[in-house]
Amino acid sequence: DAKTTQPPSMDCAEGRAANLPCNHSTISGNEYVYWYRQIHSQGPQYIIHGLKNNETNEMASLIITEDRKSSTLILPHATLRDTAVYYCIVLYNFNKFYFGSGTKLNVKP
Amino acid sequence: NAGVTQTPKFQVLKTGQSMTLQCAQDMNHNSMYWYRQDPGMGLRLIYYSASEGTTDKGEVPNGYNVSRLNKREFSLRLESAAPSQTSVYFCASSEGSWQSKNIQYFGAGTRLSVL
Repeated sequence: DAKTTQPPSMDCAEGRAANLPCNHSTISGNEYVYWYRQIHSQGPQYIIHGLKNNETNEMASLIITEDRKSSTLILPHATLRDTAVYYCIVLYNFNKFYFGSGTKLNVKP
Repeated sequence: NAGVTQTPKFQVLKTGQSMTLQCAQDMNHNSMYWYRQDPGMGLRLIYYSASEGTTDKGEVPNGYNVSRLNKREFSLRLESAAPSQTSVYFCASSEGSWQSKNIQYFGAGTRLSVL
């Protein structure tokens, strides 16, 4: 099963870019990387996903290394509302998410 | 557009009681999921339904049963609640369950306490 490793917590100054790393060294060739976040105790919110190429949307950018063993989620201008737990997920068995413990991002004024 | 709706929002049960958590989605999604989240932990998959008429076990299925009532609704049943099932339960749905289409949309959760 493809699992992920993330730092338990990170700090970021408001207005600066937040770079959240994720290691997924056992990922298979057709497995996508998904990122979600969970604010307080709300239901998780989808951010972005990708396979090989870098991806960007209105919320964030996703950088996947060429060997696909790691990726970085980039929030270009973090705000206090971005304080949340961020989960890096690789689907396993074709359709099951393994959330892990995620990274608690603290955005500070 | 309500998205994914879960009922109830809160519930307190006594050990041995049974209950059903309800989930409905209005996005015409094919796949639906049930997760539990214990304090300080990530979500763990209990059961999922890749499409109407099918269900399958996830990571922690013991003590639970599910029913995919129709395309919109996916219920989770606790037959004999135990204190270890105290948790927050999330329902989610996605267009499909294959790799590139598995963007899941989550409900607000049901907070369950078993005394």
